[in-house]
Amino acid sequence: QVQLVESGGGVVQPGRSLRLSCAASGFTFKNYGMHWVRQAPGKGLDWVAVISYDAKVTYYADSVKGRFTVSRDNSKNILYLQMNSLGSEDTAVYYCAKEGTEKRSTCYANWGQGTLVTVSS
Amino acid sequence: DIQMTQSPSSVSASVGDRVIITCRASQGISSWLAWYQQKPGKAPKLLIDAASRLQSGVPSRFSGSGSGTDFTLTISSLQPEDFATYYCQQANSFPHTFGQGTKLEIK
Repeated sequence: QVQLVESGGGVVQPGRSLRLSCAASGFTFKNYGMHWVRQAPGKGLDWVAVISYDAKVTYYADSVKGRFTVSRDNSKNILYLQMNSLGSEDTAVYYCAKEGTEKRSTCYANWGQGTLVTVSS
Repeated sequence: DIQMTQSPSSVSASVGDRVIITCRASQGISSWLAWYQQKPGKAPKLLIDAASRLQSGVPSRFSGSGSGTDFTLTISSLQPEDFATYYCQQANSFPHTFGQGTKLEIK
């Protein structure tokens, strides 16, 4: 079965960097686009970024553009999110999510358990 | 960016009730809409994609409809395990956007 396991969260000071990882298993990772979605404490869901199956195409939310970078290693089945210049507004649980289909971005069919990032001095 | 507006923001209902949640897109999104259920402390779960396609394993009391700008999620007969927060999400274009959520509470 599909399994997504995020790691790398923690407490970080404002202005610093953090890299999240998402280890994937149970499906052919290299065939699917992957997303990062976040949820601030007590708030709704907020889409962050997407990377195509072959890593050639990425899109970002305006709120993270220029600060966050999504990447993937298809040989290791791992998705990454490099987060720079972190601010308090980035405090959230970060989820990785797998696309519903191979062909087009439609929905998030499978989610990891999430990893909490807290930006605080 | 496409804005997604859900209503109501919260609703109280009883076991056995029929509940309808609506989601409106700020511009047409064809049928590129999904619905998710989220329980406290858990990751969201995909219920419906393509506006009306029920995911495998999701009870048939859940149904989705709509296209263009107006969509609904209907729960025909609420069960105790259905009390959760529900989100719609558009996949017509990037950035993907979610509705603000509808919290379904026990009356």
